[in-house]
Amino acid sequence: QKEVEQDPGPLSVPEGAIVSLNCTYSNSAFQYFMWYRQYSRKGPELLMYTYSSGNKEDGRFTAQVDKSSKYISLFIRDSQPSDSATYLCAMFSTGGGNKLTFGTGTQLKVEL
Amino acid sequence: EAGVTQFPSHSVIEKGQTVTLRCDPISGHDNLYWYRRVMGKEIKFLLHFVKESKQDESGMPNNRFLAERTGGTYSTLKVQPAELEDSGVYFCASNKQGGFTEAFFGQGTRLTVV
Repeated sequence: QKEVEQDPGPLSVPEGAIVSLNCTYSNSAFQYFMWYRQYSRKGPELLMYTYSSGNKEDGRFTAQVDKSSKYISLFIRDSQPSDSATYLCAMFSTGGGNKLTFGTGTQLKVEL
Repeated sequence: EAGVTQFPSHSVIEKGQTVTLRCDPISGHDNLYWYRRVMGKEIKFLLHFVKESKQDESGMPNNRFLAERTGGTYSTLKVQPAELEDSGVYFCASNKQGGFTEAFFGQGTRLTVV
C-alpha cells in the first residue's frame, strides 16, 4: 500500500469551476503537507503548504488538512485555463529526514 | 537569480551504457536532493546532500547509481550500467536550510534507456 494515495485523474472542468483535489495518507507522523503544480516538461513548483491540521488560503487556492482522517485537499476557485497542470500532493515530517513523500499527481484540464 | 538547473534535459542511451546527470543548485544552497519519477509511479526520493556530504542515501535503488557533490556545489548522478527500468525523469532540488518549505526543483532530466 502506498503511503500517499492520490487520484490520477484526468480531471476536466469548465473555466470558472471550483476544483477539488485530494490525497489520503497512512503515516500519522507527517507534519507538513505540500501542494505542487507541475506543467508539462517542467519541475514541480510549490503552490502552498500547511503545517499540521487546518486551512490555509492564498488567493484562489485553499489547502485543508484533516489529520484525524489523514486527508488533505486543495481547492481552486474560479479556475482558469492557465491552471491546467498536474497537481502533486507531498508531505514530510521533520523527524523523518528531509524526504518528501509524493502522491502520483492529478492531471487537471480547465477548458474554455 | 538562476534557479536549479539540470543537464541534459533529455538523454536516450542503450541498455548497458553509462549516463551522467548533472544538477546545479541555487547558489548558496547547502542542501541538494535527487528524486526520480518512473513511468506511472510517484516521484520518489533518492538521496540528500548537505554540502559535499551524503546525509541520506536510503532511496538509491542499487549500486549502479553513484551520486557525487564535489566541493559542495553542483552534483552528478551516474548510472552505470543503465537498465531499462532506470528510465524516468530525474529531478534535483535544493534549499538553504532543512525542510522542504523553501526548496526549489529543477526542470528534470528525462532518461530513456532502450
